[in-house]
Amino acid sequence: DTGVSQDPRHKITKRGQNVTFRCDPISEHNRLYWYRQTLGQGPEFLTYFQNEAQLEKSRLLSDRFSAERPKGSFSTLEIQRTEQGDSAMYLCASSIGLAGDNEQFFGPGTRLTVL
Amino acid sequence: GQQVMQIPQYQHVQEGEDFTTYCNSSTTLSNIQWYKQRPGGHPVFLIQLVKSGEVKKQKRLTFQFGEAKKNSSLHITATQTTDVGTYFCAYGATNKLIFGTGTLLAVQP
Repeated sequence: DTGVSQDPRHKITKRGQNVTFRCDPISEHNRLYWYRQTLGQGPEFLTYFQNEAQLEKSRLLSDRFSAERPKGSFSTLEIQRTEQGDSAMYLCASSIGLAGDNEQFFGPGTRLTVL
Repeated sequence: GQQVMQIPQYQHVQEGEDFTTYCNSSTTLSNIQWYKQRPGGHPVFLIQLVKSGEVKKQKRLTFQFGEAKKNSSLHITATQTTDVGTYFCAYGATNKLIFGTGTLLAVQP
C-alpha cells in the first residue's frame, strides 16, 4: 500500500497526558499537512511542511501542540497536557509539487479521545 | 477568515433520485476541489476546477464552477447506495485547503 499511513488509528488518554501521532506520507510527496476534524465538521488546517521545513501554523495550534518532520519524510504531531477539547480526528495529508492547491491525499486519521 | 458555505447540510434521497450540493463563497476563489468522505473514512479527492464556468463530469457526477468563481456545485444523477457519505468542497489557499461545511448524503435503497 503506497498511500498515506497514520499511527495509531485510535488513542484514548486521560486529561493531562501527552500523546504523539505519526504520519507517513506518500514517499515522493514533498508537502505534508495536518488537519483536525470534529464530528459533523470539515477538516480544519493545523500546520504544513514543505520537505522538513514547517512553513505555516494555524492559530488553532496552541503552544501545547508541536509538529516535526525531521528528515522530510514522516512527521509527528505531539499534544502536551491534553484537554477534553482536543478530542477529534487528526488527519494527515500529503501532496506533491510547488503549488498549495494541488490534490491532497489523506491518511486514515488518528482518532483521539481525551477522558 | 474566508469561509465556504455548503447547502444543504443534509440530504436524504431514495435510490435513483438525483442529488445536488452547492458551495458558496463571498469572495472569488482561484480553484475549487471536491472531496468525498465515507462514514468512518477519510476525505478522498474527487476533482479540481480552476476555470470560470468550468464543467467536468465523472460518470454520474457533474461538477460546475460558477462564472464569477464564487460558487460551485456537485450533481449526482440517479444516486446509488455507494454514494452515501459527506461531500466537501474545498479551496486551495496558500499552503492549505479550506474546507466547506459539507453535505451529508443518505441514500435509502
